[in-house]
Amino acid sequence: NAGVTQTPKFQVLKTGQSMTLQCAQDMNHNSMYWYRQDPGMGLRLIYYSASEGTTDKGEVPNGYNVSRLNKREFSLRLESAAPSQTSVYFCAFRGWRTEAFFGQGTRLTVV
Amino acid sequence: QKEVEQNSGPLSVPEGAIASLNCTYSDRGSQSFFWYRQYSGKSPELIMFIYSNGDKEDGRFTAQLNKASQYVSLLIRDSQPSDSATYLCAVSSSASKIIFGSGTRLSIRP
Repeated sequence: NAGVTQTPKFQVLKTGQSMTLQCAQDMNHNSMYWYRQDPGMGLRLIYYSASEGTTDKGEVPNGYNVSRLNKREFSLRLESAAPSQTSVYFCAFRGWRTEAFFGQGTRLTVV
Repeated sequence: QKEVEQNSGPLSVPEGAIASLNCTYSDRGSQSFFWYRQYSGKSPELIMFIYSNGDKEDGRFTAQLNKASQYVSLLIRDSQPSDSATYLCAVSSSASKIIFGSGTRLSIRP
């Protein structure tokens, strides 16, 4: 998936547990993104990072935190998972034509 | 109101016909516009991008942009069963944010 590695691919959490979704790109691009996708909702932007050291809220940031560890890595953390956070999570980076290139996704279920 | 709006469909088109997908956006400062195709269980993949008003053609796909009307469309000519997928419109501002619409499900019937 275009130089983006997401881990894990699948995860089941219990309500209240925490976890971190990892994302790394090998294309040396500045901007990175986290989206969630729910049935019928398209992709909704959670957080994005325009460059190393900066992060900004997207459309649905509540319940999430992010870290832009370095230029390659952008992680998403759920501090206290809730069933409403059951979703497919996609990480992406911004290519030279300003488009988003996506990882393979993480399917998260919170029970 | 969402920043990027699409009709969720499903849109059903006979094989060989033209499929027309539409998208409107609210941020007048938007500079880049994209169409993605997403098959069930897969990641979105870029199929078209457009930056300037007018039409842009690539094979069977044509993207159309009208910034005055804040409107982007995608035409798929000679529709094939393999075109059956969800099509996502995306809009990017100068601030690096990329916002997607909710997607339109397209079904090509034989």
